[in-house]
Amino acid sequence: DSGVTQTPKHLITATGQRVTLRCSPRSGDLSVYWYQQSLDQGLQFLIQYYNGEERAKGNILERFSAQQFPDLHSELNLSSLELGDSALYFCASSVARGGYGYTFGSGTRLTVV
Amino acid sequence: QQQVKQSPQSLIVQKGGISIINCAYENTAFDYFPWYQQFPGKGPALLIAIRPDVSEKKEGRFTISFNKSAKQFSLHIMDSQPGDSATYFCAASPRNSGNTPLVFGKGTRLSVIA
Repeated sequence: DSGVTQTPKHLITATGQRVTLRCSPRSGDLSVYWYQQSLDQGLQFLIQYYNGEERAKGNILERFSAQQFPDLHSELNLSSLELGDSALYFCASSVARGGYGYTFGSGTRLTVV
Repeated sequence: QQQVKQSPQSLIVQKGGISIINCAYENTAFDYFPWYQQFPGKGPALLIAIRPDVSEKKEGRFTISFNKSAKQFSLHIMDSQPGDSATYFCAASPRNSGNTPLVFGKGTRLSVIA
């Protein structure tokens, strides 16, 4: 157990729907990062939050949004889902704001049918 | 500028052999280079990391070699074992930057066969 908890582990939904993925960071970590992993694209950075504030944005679609709550857990919202959104979504956390010392969760596998 | 190019995409190595995975970068601001190991159904886990003030770092059977002038770094797995079969990702970031997340390579799927 890495200490980073992601729920749900698996999600199957239809095109056009909206889903919410949840991440609880490791105790003491203030930064949360969301990554999308697909077979041919590796790990693509989506968005980062630090202590409740958005800090960096990557290749995140406008249909996707995220937030980090006062208790530091984070949610990634995916809407108007398309078949191409099917992927593994990982959350990672770290103490600092930069790219040092990431701990990843086990991911949420999203399947859009 | 932000890319990290990783090769090969897949690798098959005999048990006891040496596995070598290579990465190259262009952004000279990068100064932290970790490698992550991912088993099926799990998230990536930090394996070993290096900063450019050293040319090599070794932890057990895993060694990172770093060539700053060529902007390349590589992971060597000595005496490869079937339990090393996993996907390996190299990554990079400007370590002291507050707002720059890790940039990952596309991964190498390693299979160690007996």
